[in-house]
Amino acid sequence: NAGVMQNPRHLVRRRGQEARLRCSPMKGHSHVYWYRQLPEEGLKFMVYLQKENIIDESGMPKERFSAEFPKEGPSILRIQQVVRGDSAAYFCASSPNGKEEKLFFGSGTQLSVL
Amino acid sequence: GENVEQHPSTLSVQEGDSAVIKCTYSDSASNYFPWYKQELGKRPQLIIDIRSNVGEKKDQRIAVTLNKTAKHFSLHITETQPEDSAVYFCAASRNRDDKIIFGKGTRLHILP
Repeated sequence: NAGVMQNPRHLVRRRGQEARLRCSPMKGHSHVYWYRQLPEEGLKFMVYLQKENIIDESGMPKERFSAEFPKEGPSILRIQQVVRGDSAAYFCASSPNGKEEKLFFGSGTQLSVL
Repeated sequence: GENVEQHPSTLSVQEGDSAVIKCTYSDSASNYFPWYKQELGKRPQLIIDIRSNVGEKKDQRIAVTLNKTAKHFSLHITETQPEDSAVYFCAASRNRDDKIIFGKGTRLHILP
């Protein structure tokens, strides 16, 4: 089992561009979570998705941010018109079918906005 | 919504001594409390967890305690070793279909 795969590991964008972060959960996992990590601020919950459904997006900024987890393919976190304040590490985690809460994290994507 | 507070933000202990990290939570419906360890530049990994029907759980040198009445839980690491140096996060959630909310983390330094 390859574990949770995130790509890219590093992403550099200029202000106003779009950032797309990808996450492939562990095999057999249908629950995906996205967290943002800023230095000294821990892991901030953004969104929780199951296949084709957004379960909880209470941590997502109301504008410019969106997430999806299609029936086929990876989960995508999309940030439109990036600003410098979006610079952070974005971690994806997956868990199996809601049967247990243990999260398996990916290696994260470090987004840098110039 | 749930809020998890974690203290201290930084902790330095002499190698071989014990380390204690404390967390409080706000939602009395929370019933699952995991602890994650994140080494520098790496992904967070679960090290131990506890459910609300249990007051204490131990796994070798690490233990967690839970006080439901006071809504706080703690991580205890005994006989600390250099490889224990990392950032530790506590977290809480209500049930298997709920999001997991993390504290801000504690940076643990093990001094030689």
